[in-house]
Amino acid sequence: QKEVEQDPGPLSVPEGAIVSLNCTYSNSAFQYFMWYRQYSRKGPELLMYTYSSGNKEDGRFTAQVDKSSKYISLFIRDSQPSDSATYLCAMSVDSGAGSYQLTFGKGTKLSVIP
Amino acid sequence: DAGVTQSPTHLIKTRGQQVTLRCSPKSGHDTVSWYQQALGQGPQFIFQYYEEEERQRGNFPDRFSGHQFPNYSSELNVNALLLGDSALYLCASSLGAGGQPQHFGDGTRLSIL
Repeated sequence: QKEVEQDPGPLSVPEGAIVSLNCTYSNSAFQYFMWYRQYSRKGPELLMYTYSSGNKEDGRFTAQVDKSSKYISLFIRDSQPSDSATYLCAMSVDSGAGSYQLTFGKGTKLSVIP
Repeated sequence: DAGVTQSPTHLIKTRGQQVTLRCSPKSGHDTVSWYQQALGQGPQFIFQYYEEEERQRGNFPDRFSGHQFPNYSSELNVNALLLGDSALYLCASSLGAGGQPQHFGDGTRLSIL
């Protein structure tokens, strides 16, 4: 079992739809939770960064963390064609000596159709 | 405010050769991490440098080595290249110890023939 599971999709939605992306994880020690967006031929871009269980909102994006279920989600409201990208969930824990390496899911490829 | 910059953007090598990839962190950041991203996969952690020392290492052979300079920039070296080393190599920078967010460059795409 992988530490972080993420449905690779692909996911195709019409413009304006609400998108829900999810990851589950097995390591209950994970402390920090992130969502990155990666366009083709580009590096991952940090979208959301959370520490505790609950919701965090930033514009059209809402990140949700449920530590008891080991489940995180990213919601995108009013999706736009420019949101078409691969979305990566990532998590981290202190690996020792204050080093927090990121453990990623495989990424979900999202296409928003005009 | 310059973000993370990596060079070169693309590199083609043959099996058995050696390669050096370079990274300049985001302004104000002092910690550099390197990741390998195979096609269709999430990035895999290689190692992290802080205060010019390797602080943590992922599950990669010692053909992969690195260095951090006093100005916080970093190099990733890979010796005896294998076909399986073909991937996007990403550098991420962050500030200090603790779980601060990591910001990525656009990577170096390494192709092994």
